[in-house]
Amino acid sequence: QQQVKQSPQSLIVQKGGISIINCAYENTAFDYFPWYQQFPGKGPALLIAIRPDVSEKKEGRFTISFNKSAKQFSLHIMDSQPGDSATYFCAPLGGDSNYQLIWGAGTKLIIKP
Amino acid sequence: DTGVSQDPRHKITKRGQNVTFRCDPISEHNRLYWYRQTLGQGPEFLTYFQNEAQLEKSRLLSDRFSAERPKGSFSTLEIQRTEQGDSAMYLCASSPGPSSGANVLTFGAGSRLTVL
Repeated sequence: QQQVKQSPQSLIVQKGGISIINCAYENTAFDYFPWYQQFPGKGPALLIAIRPDVSEKKEGRFTISFNKSAKQFSLHIMDSQPGDSATYFCAPLGGDSNYQLIWGAGTKLIIKP
Repeated sequence: DTGVSQDPRHKITKRGQNVTFRCDPISEHNRLYWYRQTLGQGPEFLTYFQNEAQLEKSRLLSDRFSAERPKGSFSTLEIQRTEQGDSAMYLCASSPGPSSGANVLTFGAGSRLTVL
């Protein structure tokens, strides 16, 4: 019920390309869907998040898409840059859990110059 | 405010020793969290405080682990009789709490523990 599956585990994208990371969840009570970005030696930081009342949210080069029926949400990074190289985590919450209890295993993204 | 501060950044200890980590959250945040992260994994929830009250505690937190937030400000995480399996990054985060809207966590840089 609380499991979160993130894919792919790692991703290599050429500079300027589109990076896509997916997160599938089971708990239909989740109502907040964030993506966190983590650089080596740092803690995770919120990148972008979505509520289930909208299907897409865009902030600059970052877009989050939400598919309620499929119980998944995705992070799209347009025009990927070397500075986007980091590990990305999804950590949905809601229902009985109003804090980030469950995290995806992470996607290590490498942008090749 | 300079964000969430953690100390020390790196601790090397021998098996069986006790270690203590400190976290100073963002001052206006009333929630404070501890997570553990191992290489290639997402953060694992350990415990969280609402002000000085410890509201949730993971089953991962054995009786060798204890956390406190005595005055609702800084927090300490103590690990007694450390084992090699305790080697990990210990992350602290704070948030204003869900009553202010979405529960957005602000993390510190972490305290890396190496148990020899």
